[in-house]
Amino acid sequence: EIVLTQSPGTLSLSPGERATLSCRASQSVGSNVAWFQQTPGQAPRLLIYGASSRATGIPDRFSGSGSGTDFTLTISRLEPEDFAVYYCLQYGTSLKTFGQGTKVDVK
Amino acid sequence: EVQLVESGGGLVHPGGSLRLSCAASGFTFSTYWMGWVRQAPGKGLEWVANIKPDGSDEFYVDSVKGRFTISRDNARNSLYLQMNSLRGEDTAVYYCVGSLAYWGRGSLVTVSS
Repeated sequence: EIVLTQSPGTLSLSPGERATLSCRASQSVGSNVAWFQQTPGQAPRLLIYGASSRATGIPDRFSGSGSGTDFTLTISRLEPEDFAVYYCLQYGTSLKTFGQGTKVDVK
Repeated sequence: EVQLVESGGGLVHPGGSLRLSCAASGFTFSTYWMGWVRQAPGKGLEWVANIKPDGSDEFYVDSVKGRFTISRDNARNSLYLQMNSLRGEDTAVYYCVGSLAYWGRGSLVTVSS
């Protein structure tokens, strides 16, 4: 099983600041990584797939990068609605696995 | 509009069984792989199982192998999760997922005596 490790666990920032979230895989997954945003009481929302492609309707302040084992989600300028929990997912193997999540909260 | 609507959750005793259903609409269900993801209270996301578009292959997380069975009926645009020998640690909201982009609102399963 491929293990994904996200860091940091919590990121405390102010609106307008830049957020950089990391996801590291225990072995190479190519570019088969997606990022999701989840707010309380809601289902996760797909932000990024293929490591760097934005999903339909996702603002361009969200960007993804990386390949192999190291991946990054960047939010260029935090909006109030961006304070949430973010999960990476690898889908390079038959069974997909999530990271443990990074919470972005208001400083 | 894409919709995934789960049903069948509820309270069950340890060792009991439940069958979750997911009704899909708004996309060509038979061409998408489908899956179930769960989230225990206050915890992160866990991918539980997924199934190929034609139902030919299924994959499970180790903790549910031999107890859960994922299946689909492409004629009815429906996905299922049969859950047997349920344990307390199976308590979670179960989401039906289509590819990566389509998610249901979730169905709560509570395993408790």
